[in-house]
Amino acid sequence: AQKITQTQPGMFVQEKEAVTLDCTYDTSDPSYGLFWYKQPSSGEMIFLIYQGSYDQQNATEGRYSLNFQKARKSANLVISASQLGDSAMYFCAISGTASKLTFGTGTRLQVTL
Amino acid sequence: ETGVTQSPTHLIKTRGQQVTLRCSSQSGHNTVSWYQQALGQGPQFIFQYYREEENGRGNFPPRFSGLQFPNYSSELNVNALELDDSALYLCASSSPGALQETQYFGPGTRLLVL
Repeated sequence: AQKITQTQPGMFVQEKEAVTLDCTYDTSDPSYGLFWYKQPSSGEMIFLIYQGSYDQQNATEGRYSLNFQKARKSANLVISASQLGDSAMYFCAISGTASKLTFGTGTRLQVTL
Repeated sequence: ETGVTQSPTHLIKTRGQQVTLRCSSQSGHNTVSWYQQALGQGPQFIFQYYREEENGRGNFPPRFSGLQFPNYSSELNVNALELDDSALYLCASSSPGALQETQYFGPGTRLLVL
């Protein structure tokens, strides 16, 4: 079984500042993938970034980077230079040998002026 | 490149009725997964279809069923609707071998059961 834990129900960050959203995971699969999605109030899940369990380097996609610490089973999302449009729910998810995604409960990010 | 589309966007049904939700996958994707997202929660996996066959199922009763068509589009059918079926239903498509099958989601269908 796989499990994702997101312990921050809500976060505030000022515009142009960086913010870290926490994610820890548990899995028995030897190979797995970690994903972050953004869900605005419209409901659509927008793919942000992917990290493979055997990737040596942390993933980066524009202003998004993933701080992957395999020994600690954590995959935190770092958003640099926050923008008002970053305000949304953020979900961490894991996939393994079964290709389904298991999601956490999400973190609501609010970017303020 | 066309993204994942879903229809309808909103739906209201009464308890005991049946509903069909539709999903068109992103071009080039042959795998479709369905998720249920209750208010305030993360999405829960319902099932996945690959080449018209069910390829994994979550902890949902048999009244949740699906189909995938030769063009890779898919339907989710729910029979004997219950109040707890009220949720956002998300469809995602993926392509095996690509970024460990990153799933790309559609805008969802909001179902309200009265």
